[in-house]
Amino acid sequence: SQTIHQWPATLVQPVGSPLSLECTVEGTSNPNLYWYRQAAGRGLQLLFYSVGIGQISSEVPQNLSASRPQDRQFILSSKKLLLSDSGFYLCAWTSAMRDTGELFFGEGSRLTVL
Amino acid sequence: AQSVTQLGSHVSVSEGALVLLRCNYSSSVPPYLFWYVQYPNQGLQLLLKYTSAATLVKGINGFEAEFKKSETSFHLTKPSAHMSDAAEYFCAVSGGPGRRALTFGSGTRLQVQP
Repeated sequence: SQTIHQWPATLVQPVGSPLSLECTVEGTSNPNLYWYRQAAGRGLQLLFYSVGIGQISSEVPQNLSASRPQDRQFILSSKKLLLSDSGFYLCAWTSAMRDTGELFFGEGSRLTVL
Repeated sequence: AQSVTQLGSHVSVSEGALVLLRCNYSSSVPPYLFWYVQYPNQGLQLLLKYTSAATLVKGINGFEAEFKKSETSFHLTKPSAHMSDAAEYFCAVSGGPGRRALTFGSGTRLQVQP
């Protein structure tokens, strides 16, 4: 069966520090991968998605970047965090072969920028 | 373009009462529709999905939803609320085959009173 892992689960970082959140998927090949952000009291905002190694699409301009160095690895990064980067970050995957499009989510990473 | 509107950011019901969470969508193509549930500090779990088959869709934990094209709605119901149903619920829409990501509503927090 397929599983998705995100880490770290919780992170407290000072303003101006770098960020790296990692997500890996197991049990499938060539997944579509996504990063969403959930701010307090708000819905989910799509940040990035990837349909293959090295292929990244950004949905909104921001202080963050994403990379996909391997087929089942998706990394969210920042060189210098802002207070507004605080939130709950969710990685998700879907099968490129399945058209129904449902996403499968990781457990999330809660980032607090102080 | 696709969008989702969830009416009511907070809904409170008594244990054993009917649960009704409202979702209206907008889509330029025949949509696929989803309901997800999120427990505190966790990722999202798929409750049910509509993918152009039966309009009444049954999901996990006794939930069901009915797709009504004329009303552009996909409301989530459960006949009898349980304390364990307390969580946040998200409605989401995709544009059907080939659409790369889901668009989520802002969520509805369900409280269940004893």
